[in-house]
Formats: sequence, structure tokens, C-alpha cells
Amino acid sequence: NAGVTQTPKFQVLKTGQSMTLQCAQDMNHEYMSWYRQDPGMGLRLIHYSVGAGITDQGEVPNGYNVSRSTTEDFPLRLLSAAPSQTSVYFCASRGGGGGNQPQHFGDGTRLSIL
Amino acid sequence: KQEVTQIPAALSVPEGENLVLNCSFTDSAIYNLQWFRQDPGKGLTSLLLIQSSQREQTSGRLNASLDKSSGRSTLYIAASQPGDSATYLCAVYPQGGSEKLVFGKGMKLTVNP
Repeated sequence: NAGVTQTPKFQVLKTGQSMTLQCAQDMNHEYMSWYRQDPGMGLRLIHYSVGAGITDQGEVPNGYNVSRSTTEDFPLRLLSAAPSQTSVYFCASRGGGGGNQPQHFGDGTRLSIL
Repeated sequence: KQEVTQIPAALSVPEGENLVLNCSFTDSAIYNLQWFRQDPGKGLTSLLLIQSSQREQTSGRLNASLDKSSGRSTLYIAASQPGDSATYLCAVYPQGGSEKLVFGKGMKLTVNP
């Protein structure tokens, strides 16, 4: 059981470039989320999805797009990379059950914007 | 706005000590509270989840308690081991079923042999 898989693990971009961070889960979880983790800031929610076709904004959504066409996949797109988006990005998923299911996290994508 | 605080930010102890990690939150209207562990370069691993109606949860050497009225949770680690060295984070789900999990900044634990 692979759990939550994120690719790539590392990426370096130039300012203005675009890219997509991939996230896939094989647990048939309804809920998926993207967080960024920055030193001194903790984890902050970027976007989340409560099911295929349904997404919503989190605390820091600007500069990022998401879509959820399947239950398994929840890609995060950087539209025009900026140095402020240098961070570690984590994808998470959880099952249904009224919110009392634990979050499962991927190992993260370490992104540097030059 | 919900805020979650973990103090201290770091702790270094000798092996074998019993530890208490603290987490406080400003809004008592929470759905549940979760404790996570993060190893360097890795994602978060869920340790314990306490529903708002519960007072505590136990898993092996770990015990987490929740006092909603005072806005506090503690994670108790019995007989600490070097393998317990990691960053421990707590997070709360607000009431209403929102997915907007709010994290503390974590506490880095080092257990010395």
C-alpha cells in the first residue's frame, strides 16, 4: 500500500516558470489537501478538495491552482513561480467519517525558485 | 482566528525520561485534535487523534489528553528512546467539518542515549 505519493521530490525553477506538483493516493480517500511548510511559519493550507470535482481555497491560495478530476489525483499548479514560493510542499489525504479520520501525508516536494 | 501554540520549540532530554509535550489553542470550538510526528526530510505521520468528545487516547507509550474548555492538549511519552527524536506537531480541526486544519509550529525533541 503506497499511501500518498508525491512527485517530484526535489525541483529547482527559475522565476516565472510554471510547473505541476503531482499527488496521488491509493486509499480511496475523499479528502485531499495541499500544504506548504516554511521555517518559522509551520504548515499552512493552500487548497483542499472534498471529492472529485470539488476544490476550495485554504489560507494561502494565491499563485496556485488545483483541480480534482479523479479521486486518486490532486495536482498543484504553480502558474508563474516566484522566490516566495520556495518551500516544502506536502499533500495529504483522509477518508470520510465526519472528520475523525487521521490525515495521511506524502513525503513532500522540496521546491526552490531562483 | 484559531491559533495553535507549542511551547517550547525544542527540548533535549536523556534517554528514559517521561515527557510531556504541550499544545494550546485559542478557540475551544474544535472538531478534533491530532498529534503528528515528523522526521527530518519526511512527511508527517499521524500519532493520535482525539475527538472533541473524548478526553484521551493511547497508543503504546504515547498518551494524548484533551481539555477543550482550557484549550489545551498534552502528549505524554513514556520511557523516551533515541528513536523518539523528531519534531512533534499538534493540529486542530475547527467545528463545522471544514478541512482547514490548523497546525502548531512543532516541537523538536532530541532524546540523547
